[in-house]
Amino acid sequence: GESVGLHLPTLSVQEGDNSIINCAYSNSASDYFIWYKQESGKGPQFIIDIRSNMDKRQGQRVTVLLNKTVKHLSLQIAATQPGDSAVYFCAENRPSGSARQLTFGSGTQLTVLP
Amino acid sequence: EAGVTQFPSHSVIEKGQTVTLRCDPISGHDNLYWYRRVMGKEIKFLLHFVKESKQDESGMPNNRFLAERTGGTYSTLKVQPAELEDSGVYFCASSLTPSLDNSPLHFGNGTRLTVT
Repeated sequence: GESVGLHLPTLSVQEGDNSIINCAYSNSASDYFIWYKQESGKGPQFIIDIRSNMDKRQGQRVTVLLNKTVKHLSLQIAATQPGDSAVYFCAENRPSGSARQLTFGSGTQLTVLP
Repeated sequence: EAGVTQFPSHSVIEKGQTVTLRCDPISGHDNLYWYRRVMGKEIKFLLHFVKESKQDESGMPNNRFLAERTGGTYSTLKVQPAELEDSGVYFCASSLTPSLDNSPLHFGNGTRLTVT
């Protein structure tokens, strides 16, 4: 299943299927992007990151794709499991003066169906 | 390694009262950040400490919010007086370096603040 993170806040997939969560970012100056997973009652947990000089990066069961031309980021989760149910946030790292800030998307609720 | 810890986990206060949130970063992390998520909206940056100095406080919403990090270890975020729109979840995070692509943020579990 697919979702645009900022426009469709929920995504339901069958256990074992692949999930794709999408995110549009706004600042062309952003040079580093992160996906976070947030489970109920917990803080955001780092999943995977990608720098702007790359267009794809793979981790364990997760892949992040970056399309700088259209300012689009996606997170692919292979063989989705019940433990993957959570809210997923994309975040862009914007240089801001002497400091760096993370700007988060609104999040997508992923629900894995048995 | 102990993670970022925040206290309290929940706080319910009345409008006009004062609340102080505490964050203990991961030991050795000089960089400490406060973020918050209000009204189910995006998680937004509040400020960034490097040791005891405020590196960037551009996200602080108004002067009712005061963050401190005396001694460069734990940090407090005080809201005085609290307003209804301050309700939300306040997250603290820390990192080893300010360059986030070399040192990802580690978040605490947050403090859920409810102002009634």
